[in-house]
Amino acid sequence: AQSVAQPEDQVNVAEGNPLTVKCTYSVSGNPYLFWYVQYPNRGLQFLLKYITGDNLVKGSYGFEAEFNKSQTSFHLKKPSALVSDSALYFCAVRVRGSGTYKYIFGTGTRLKVLA
Amino acid sequence: EAGVAQSPRYKIIEKRQSVAFWCNPISGHATLYWYQQILGQGPKLLIQFQNNGVVDDSQLPKDRFSAERLKGVDSTLKIQPAKLEDSAVYLCASSFGSDRGRYNEQFFGPGTRLTVL
Repeated sequence: AQSVAQPEDQVNVAEGNPLTVKCTYSVSGNPYLFWYVQYPNRGLQFLLKYITGDNLVKGSYGFEAEFNKSQTSFHLKKPSALVSDSALYFCAVRVRGSGTYKYIFGTGTRLKVLA
Repeated sequence: EAGVAQSPRYKIIEKRQSVAFWCNPISGHATLYWYQQILGQGPKLLIQFQNNGVVDDSQLPKDRFSAERLKGVDSTLKIQPAKLEDSAVYLCASSFGSDRGRYNEQFFGPGTRLTVL
């Protein structure tokens, strides 16, 4: 079955330190991968995507993600965390459905940046 | 550009009652999605429309949930009758739509938080 896994329910990091939020996937074919962020009482906001090309993808708010095909991973990173980055982060993969494409989301990782 | 609109933002009902949620996607977006997000979980696709046709409703509990997008623009999701386990945030999203395999990112609305007592 095609799936996305986020192995950490929560990640704590001190402000100014680098952060990593992990994501692994299991899909057939070439994956289209995404990261979304969700702030309290808000919908999901798109951060970045990997379709093809350079394995390091840069997105909004200084975030980037590295696609690793051999490890089937797409970890989200930021060189220097801000308190305002504290939120819920979701990894997602687009898969072929019946006649169209659909998106499978991970369970989410809560990022807490400590001042 | 206006985003995806949803209403109401919050709804509290008792079990066995009915409820309806409304979504207005971004103008020009052909594809509309309804997701259910239970606390502590990722969004789960309930139904996906391409214009006014359903392309995926495999995870929609059809005995109690229904959705329509009659004119290919806004959409309504209904639950009748509601159960306690339906308590969740219902997210609507839209995208330009798949076109010969090209990716189109989804834009999400703020969601409707449903509490079933």
